[in-house]
Order: sequence, then C-alpha cells, then structure tokens
Amino acid sequence: QQQVKQSPQSLIVQKGGISIINCAYENTAFDYFPWYQQFPGKGPALLIAIRPDVSEKKEGRFTISFNKSAKQFSLHIMDSQPGDSATYFCAASTGGSYIPTFGRGTSLIVHP
Amino acid sequence: GAVVSQHPSWVICKSGTSVKIECRSLDFQATTMFWYRQFPKQSLMLMATSNEGSKATYEQGVEKDKFLINHASLTLSTLTVTSAHPEDSSFYICSARDGREWHQETQYFGPGTRLLVL
Repeated sequence: QQQVKQSPQSLIVQKGGISIINCAYENTAFDYFPWYQQFPGKGPALLIAIRPDVSEKKEGRFTISFNKSAKQFSLHIMDSQPGDSATYFCAASTGGSYIPTFGRGTSLIVHP
Repeated sequence: GAVVSQHPSWVICKSGTSVKIECRSLDFQATTMFWYRQFPKQSLMLMATSNEGSKATYEQGVEKDKFLINHASLTLSTLTVTSAHPEDSSFYICSARDGREWHQETQYFGPGTRLLVL
C-alpha cells in the first residue's frame, strides 16, 4: 500500500523553466512533509519541508504548495537549472514516529 | 549543518562473507539512526530503526539475523550484512535524527554505501 503517491516519474524541462512535482497522501495523521533531493550515487539531502498549518513555503527557487483538504502537496522549482537535475522524493511523517514514508521519486532532467 | 558519514562508500565482497557498514554523526548526537536500502531508480526502503543502547526495530520482511544493527553510541551505528549473497547487492543509506532539535522530524542522510556481492 503506497501511502504517498508521487508524479510524474520523470520530468524533462528546459533551463529557466518551472519544474513541478506532485504528491498525494492518504494518511490524515501526517503532519510533516519534506522534500529530498538525491544526486546519483549520493544520499538524499533535505531540500525544503512544510507543516500543514501553512499553505505555502518558499526557499529561494524552491516552493512547496500544500493543500490540506485535497491531501496534496507539490514542489515547484522556478528558473530550473541543469544543476537541479536529480531525483526528488517527497515524504510524509507523523509526529511521534518521525519515520518518513517516501514517494517513489521523480527523475528531473533540466536541459541547458 | 548536521553531517552524517558512512564508511565504506563502496564495497565488493564474495558471496558468503560478512560486510560491516559504519554510520557516524559527525557534529551532533543522534538519538535515533535509520538504515535504508535503495535499489536502482527506486525509492528508499526503511530496513530498521535503531536507538542508542537498545535493540533495533526491524521493518516487516527484513531479516534481523541477516542485517545486524548495533547502535553502540550516540554517534555511531553499524550495519553488518552477514553471509552476503548477490541479492543483497544494493545501495545502503543511513540517516540520523539530531536529538538537540526542537522538531525532530528532520533526518540527515549519509552519502550511502554501494555493496556488490559477487
């Protein structure tokens, strides 16, 4: 049972474009939603995270949009750069266990 | 920021041998460490959760006698793959939570260890 569904599986954008990755969850007890960036052969690194008490969080070119009623959240990468080419994982966790449930990942390629 | 290291970064071994992977939190004390396994182009699969000084909690389907986890201190956890076989070949990643942080949801991941069993 996949509790966090992530789409698309792969994404190709041109340099300067906007990359959008979507995630949907089922467990309403989730209260922490991080996004991780992983380069080939490396471990994931926390990119940005949001809690359900806000609808949007922005850090530089990265923005999380959160829709609690729809149980969806998305990552927007503005002005995408070739260096952003990586695999992105959304995740969700509940207070107490703090163990994230990961989405299946999105492979992003940004063409120069 | 919090840094987690893993050693070795890659290892090749013969079938039937045991391999130990170390995970260290370099600049913080990790109250909890996690071990993940990742197959190519797939997501992370949690194998076990370990707390310093106590037995690890393994996820369903993970053989605890095959994947031995020791969390000997607040900065070190080890994963030993016993009697490794080719199907154990994978990318193993550890992560740690910083016990000082008010919100402890953040996990800091190590760089991973690539294991190839011949």
